[in-house]
Amino acid sequence: NAGVTQTPKFQVLKTGQSMTLQCAQDMNHEYMSWYRQDPGMGLRLIHYSVGAGITDQGEVPNGYNVSRSTTEDFPLRLLSAAPSQTSVYFCASRTTGHEQYFGPGTRLTVT
Amino acid sequence: RKEVEQDPGPFNVPEGATVAFNCTYSNSASQSFFWYRQDCRKEPKLLMSVYSSGNEDGRFTAQLNRASQYISLLIRDSKLSDSATYLCVVTQGDNFNKFYFGSGTKLNVKP
Repeated sequence: NAGVTQTPKFQVLKTGQSMTLQCAQDMNHEYMSWYRQDPGMGLRLIHYSVGAGITDQGEVPNGYNVSRSTTEDFPLRLLSAAPSQTSVYFCASRTTGHEQYFGPGTRLTVT
Repeated sequence: RKEVEQDPGPFNVPEGATVAFNCTYSNSASQSFFWYRQDCRKEPKLLMSVYSSGNEDGRFTAQLNRASQYISLLIRDSKLSDSATYLCVVTQGDNFNKFYFGSGTKLNVKP
């Protein structure tokens, strides 16, 4: 199993551009989440999903959209990138248990 | 006020030392508690869950004090390979889909 995969690993965007961060898991996990990690802030929850077709907002959802059309995929869309969205983005999945499995992260810089 | 607070460290200890980290959380309704480990520029990985009665996994012992709303992690006989950042994680009240992460405590184990 590949576990949780994320693409791209690195991305540089200009202010106002949009893009989609990809996340996929092959463990048939129901729950998936997106976090951002900034220095001194810890990981903060952006959006999460409890199953295909069901998503909800986390702590810092503004400027991001998600959808969950399949169990495997949970893409994160940046609508109009801003420098404040420069961060490391982690996708995670889990079963009904609480252990979260994280992808390797996407390092995003917005100039 | 942050939901989860940790001393950022770094804690610099020699091999073989015992080191303890504490973490405080603000929501008294939080139900589940965890310690994750994050190596430099890598994704977080679950180290251990924290149970009310306290629990041990080899050289690692976790304790929960609900009355004072703090969680601790004790590492005995520190190894060089224990060098990492340790993240304290709690659920948002009784919502098991939302997790709050502390900003982490950095541990450096020196030869």
